[in-house]
Amino acid sequence: QTVVTQEPSFSVSPGGTVTLTCGLSSGSVSTNYYPSWYQQTPGQAPRTLIYSTNTRSSGVPDRFSGSILGNRAALTITGAQADDESDYYCVLYMGSGSWVFGGGTKLTVL
Amino acid sequence: QLQLQESGPGLVKPSETLSLTCTVSGGSISSGSYYWGWLRQPPGKGLEWIGNIYYSGSAYYNPSLKSRVTISLATPKNQFSLQLSSVTAADTAVYYCVSVSFYFCYMDVWGKGTTVAVSS
Repeated sequence: QTVVTQEPSFSVSPGGTVTLTCGLSSGSVSTNYYPSWYQQTPGQAPRTLIYSTNTRSSGVPDRFSGSILGNRAALTITGAQADDESDYYCVLYMGSGSWVFGGGTKLTVL
Repeated sequence: QLQLQESGPGLVKPSETLSLTCTVSGGSISSGSYYWGWLRQPPGKGLEWIGNIYYSGSAYYNPSLKSRVTISLATPKNQFSLQLSSVTAADTAVYYCVSVSFYFCYMDVWGKGTTVAVSS
């Protein structure tokens, strides 16, 4: 079965820039996988940040951006703030009505 | 504004069937713009896609759960449901219902989630 890989953890300084990535155990991530990104804080439902690679969901600040970097999808946070400290999940559309989640990245802002 | 709300028992015995319902408001589950899906998150772990159903009734399941999962529509009630059979402690999780954009292939609106524990 396809595995979607993410960095388990990452840290960034307040005001800094961080790029989280999302890859495949076999093959390259492209726009054809419609990569999307979700933010989750403890005890809360996830919030949609980015869809279709680089489209921000309604109300998401423009310091969050999505792209393809090499063979991976990427989520970049520019000017990190304390309340960006969360878990971030990547999801890829595998076709035929099915999706696979990455394992998530725990982002620390310190 | 589309809203989703999960409901169902918070405790299920091992080997029994977990049944949850998602009530949709602010939109119709007969809309061709969405799949209607279920996800789950075991304690301290990541999110897992369980499956989706389209308004036509076509359903798609995670291969690892396919033998135990059924997702169905209750169109007159604007609801859809999840049944997971032969549960074990490994099925203990927060279960979320979601609307999934048919055109842009992403989880659009999330329910708040409901905790289900499997225990005797």
